Order: sequence, then C-alpha cells, then structure tokens
Amino acid sequence: GQNIDQPTEMTATEGAIVQINCTYQTSGFNGLFWYQQHAGEAPTFLSYNVLDGLEEKGRFSSFLSRSKGYSYLLLKELQMKDSASYLCASVSSNDYKLSFGAGTTVTVRA
Amino acid sequence: EAQVTQNPRYLITVTGKKLTVTCSQNMNHEYMSWYRQDPGLGLRQIYYSMNVEVTDKGDVPEGYKVSRKEKRNFPLILESPSPNQTSLYFCASSSSAGAHYEQYFGPGTRLTVT
Repeated sequence: GQNIDQPTEMTATEGAIVQINCTYQTSGFNGLFWYQQHAGEAPTFLSYNVLDGLEEKGRFSSFLSRSKGYSYLLLKELQMKDSASYLCASVSSNDYKLSFGAGTTVTVRA
Repeated sequence: EAQVTQNPRYLITVTGKKLTVTCSQNMNHEYMSWYRQDPGLGLRQIYYSMNVEVTDKGDVPEGYKVSRKEKRNFPLILESPSPNQTSLYFCASSSSAGAHYEQYFGPGTRLTVT
C-alpha cells in the first residue's frame, strides 16, 4: 500500500469552508484521486491530480504537492448534502493500483 | 445508462456455504476490480482484472476467487466463507488500468457470515 493518512472526522457549518488533508508515501506515486461516498452508497469520483498545483471544479478544489507527499480537498460554500465520507486514494506507478485511505467523515451542521 | 451492477445487494449466510457475488458493467471497460470496505480500514483491493482471462491478486485475496471469462462480468467467489469475511463489497470498473482513469463503483453488497 501507499500508507495514506487522512483525518477521521471533521465538522463544519453550512456555508463554511472545510479542507481535508491527505498524506501519502511518495515512492512509486503516480497520481491521486478524491472520491465522495455518502452513507450506504458507492464512492463517486471527485478529482484526479498528477501534477503539482490546484485543480478547481465548482465548489470543490483539490491540491497536490508531489515533493511533500501531500494533497488536500477543499469544499467551499458547504451544503447539507456535502455530509459524506471523502476518500483519498493514491495510484501506484508500478501497477496502477489504487490504495485508499480510511476516509474522512464530514458532517455539515445547519 | 452506464453502470456497474452487483447482485445480491444484501446476503446473510453461514460459515462454509459457498457463495458468488456477481458484477457486471455495460461500459465496455477493460479493467475491473473487487474491494472490501471495513470500518476504519477503508477500501482494500481483493482482486483485479486487466482484461478477459487476466486476473491478479490485490492486497487481501485470501479466501476469495474470481474469474473473467467475459469482458462485462467479474464474479467474486467465496468457496468457504468465514465470519471475518463479513464486510461491504464493491465492484468497480474503469476503461483501462492507466493511472488517470477513474473507477466506477457498483452499489455494494453487504455480506454477513454467521
């Protein structure tokens, strides 16, 4: 695996911003995914980063620093429907396998 | 509609009784994979397949078998289930095994082995 580390839980207020950090092992790294998973449902794709920098997609942005083995997912203008688990996953350059972190459960409060 | 389907969605069985969880995708994807998800451990890969007749072990293959006779189907077989295989299982597919291809997940199968 790629030793993915992300916080277990985060809580924020509707309309606020939350940043979910993810660290990973840099050796054999070939890209990083973020997935969203609502309770009892399948994960769905949010973003993919392979180059350093920030990728913005509407209210969600994802950042990558390859040299630091660090990524974050930024959720802006939080809505109640954003309450979910957010999964960080790194891709191995050897076999393109995905290694997932345990996920960060984000709870949005009114 | 492009999708990955799994059956059954829920299954309660007893130790040692062989079972198969089916997975099918209609997107002509080459790459398919099985994961199990357990609290605090995240998604762990069981087996994957790069194409028809090509399968390989993931991180936790013990106690599982797979086959890939057709491109669209990738069944997961538990020959002799045990209680430690109680878990939530996801099948996933992507158009290729390359690094940047997102995976599409099925709805999940919740398995309980007593």
